[in-house]
Amino acid sequence: EVQLLESGGGLVQPGGSLRLSCAASGFTFDNYAMAWVRQAAGKGLEWVSGISGSGAITYYAGSVKGRFTISRENSKNTLFLQMGGLRAEDTAVYYCAKKVHSGLAPFDSWGQGTLVTVSS
Amino acid sequence: QSVLTQPPSVSGAPGQRVSISCTGSGSNIGAGYDVYWYQQLPGTAPYLLISGNNNRPSGVPDRFSGSKSGTSASLVITGLQAEDEADYYCQSYDTSPSGSVVFGGGTKLIVL
Repeated sequence: EVQLLESGGGLVQPGGSLRLSCAASGFTFDNYAMAWVRQAAGKGLEWVSGISGSGAITYYAGSVKGRFTISRENSKNTLFLQMGGLRAEDTAVYYCAKKVHSGLAPFDSWGQGTLVTVSS
Repeated sequence: QSVLTQPPSVSGAPGQRVSISCTGSGSNIGAGYDVYWYQQLPGTAPYLLISGNNNRPSGVPDRFSGSKSGTSASLVITGLQAEDEADYYCQSYDTSPSGSVVFGGGTKLIVL
C-alpha cells in the first residue's frame, strides 16, 4: 500500500524558512516523479513544484520560483520542500503527491498534508 | 485565479445526472494535454477519479466519466448519490512554463 507522510509544517514569521519532508513507502520511490501541491483554507488546489524520479529535473510554479527548492533523497525514500522568503500568501496545507508515472500523468496518491502558517 | 475555469458549484437530486465543466486554453487542454479529475471530501486529500482518456482507476464507479473537446473538458456523474457531495477539481498540464501543472478552481457538488 502506498503511503505518503508529510511533516515539518508549523508557524513561521514572514520572511522565514521552513523545510517540509514527505516519507514515502509501498512503492519503488525512485521510479516515480513527485510533487508538492498546496491548498489555502477554503481555496482550491495549487501546484507548487515537481521533481523527476532521479531528482535531476525540477519544476516550479511562478509564485514560488526562486524562493522554494524541491529535492529528494531516494536512498531514504523522502521528498523535501525547502521554503524561504515565506509570505502570508504561502499559508496553506501542503500535500506531497505521487505521479502515476514519470511523464505527463496525474497524481494517484496523496499524503494527508501538513499545515504551514506564515504570520507574525 | 486558476488557469482552468470551473463553475463554483453544481447541484442535483439523488439519481440525477450532473456535469462539471473545465475550460482551459490553447496552452493547456487545447495543446492536447489530458485532463484529470479529482474528488475531495471535506477534510481529506484529493482522490484521483479520472486518469485521462476517460480511464477510471480501480475502485472508481463507472458512474463517473470524463470527456474532452477542444479547450474544454467535462466530468459527468450519473445516478447521483448523497456520498458524491464533495469538491471536484480538474487538472492538466501547460506549455508555459513547460511541464507546469494547472488545476481548476474547483466545483462544489451539492446533492439536494
